[in-house]
Formats: sequence, C-alpha cells, structure tokens
Amino acid sequence: GQSLEQPSEVTAVEGAIVQINCTYQTSGFYGLSWYQQHDGGAPTFLSYNGLDGLEETGRFSSFLSRSDSYGYLLLQELQMKDSASYFCAVRELNQAGTALIFGKGTTLSVSS
Amino acid sequence: ETGVTQSPTHLIKTRGQQVTLRCSSQSGHNTVSWYQQALGQGPQFIFQYYREEENGRGNFPPRFSGLQFPNYSSELNVNALELDDSALYLCASSLQGNYGYTFGSGTRLTVV
Repeated sequence: GQSLEQPSEVTAVEGAIVQINCTYQTSGFYGLSWYQQHDGGAPTFLSYNGLDGLEETGRFSSFLSRSDSYGYLLLQELQMKDSASYFCAVRELNQAGTALIFGKGTTLSVSS
Repeated sequence: ETGVTQSPTHLIKTRGQQVTLRCSSQSGHNTVSWYQQALGQGPQFIFQYYREEENGRGNFPPRFSGLQFPNYSSELNVNALELDDSALYLCASSLQGNYGYTFGSGTRLTVV
C-alpha cells in the first residue's frame, strides 16, 4: 500500500533554517510535491520534484532521492508567517489512474 | 484569473441524508480532484476527473460519487451520510500534466 512519513511537529525561531523530511512507500511513483496549509485555509502548492536533486524557489527548496524514497523541504530565513502545516504528497500513477497522496503533515511553529 | 471556489463553506446534515458539494475550477484547468481532510490529518484523495471522466479513485466507498461538467466545474455527492463523514472537503484543480494543484478553501461538513 501507500504510506508517507513526516515528523508531526517542528519548532524553530525567526531567521533559522528548518528541514522537514518525508519518506514514502508507494507504487507508480510519479513525483513528490509539497504544500503549505495555514489554519482554516486552503493548501497551497510550494514545490515539485519529479527527478532527483534540488529545486529552489526563493526561501524554499525541495530535494528528492528516488532511490532512497526520500525527500525534504528546506525553509530558510524563517518568518512568523511560515507557521503552518506542511504536507508532502506523492503523485502516483496506478490502475485507477492518477492520484495525489498526502502525508499526515508537519506542524511548524516559528517563534520570535 | 479566479482561483478555485467551493460552495457552501459550511454545512450541517443529519446521518442518513445525502449531500452535494460544488466546485468551480480555476480558469483554464481541465482536471479536478476531491479530498477529505479530517481535523489534524492530511487530505485523503477521494477521486479525480479529467474531461468529465473519472481517472483516479482513492479508498472511498461507492456512496461517494462525483461529476465534472463541460465547463470543468464539479460536484461531490455523498449518500447515506455517516458521522465519520464529518470533515473538510477540498476541491483542487490543475491542468493535465501540470504538477501544481490549486485548492479551494473547502466545505466544512458536519454530520449529526
């Protein structure tokens, strides 16, 4: 079956760097995405890795190693507004078609 | 460009009833997917539609059904509501082949 593991909580201070890891087990892997969700809000797309390596978008970077079934999201120069839940999600191709499978999420708390 | 809009924002239903949730996709997006998010959990994939055909389904019973219309708007129907169906229901749209999904703010369904 499918499973994604990520830490449930991470805390950090403003200006720091934090890394949120994600390991996955799935068939028909097609890519790893990251989403941010503030309390009561819609998930918003942050990044996507279809191939191994690092993708950088401003203060956020994401990494994928397909051989290790592992990825991470790196957040630099943390700001208070970065306090939110972060989800890794595997894009999967299976018999029924395509699906986006989410992890349970990591709650990031940024303090001053 | 408009984003993804969902209606209603909140809904209370009685166990055994039926409910229809609606979603308008972001302009230009031809793929829509639906998710169920329980409190403190990640979104769970229900199903996905592309060009009015279901092309992906998660582990949800047949009483969860959907439609996509020619204008790419969509409906999620749930029959014989159960207490455990209480959750935030999220709709997301994308362009087929594009990896970023745009989510709506969801419909909060409470079954009593």
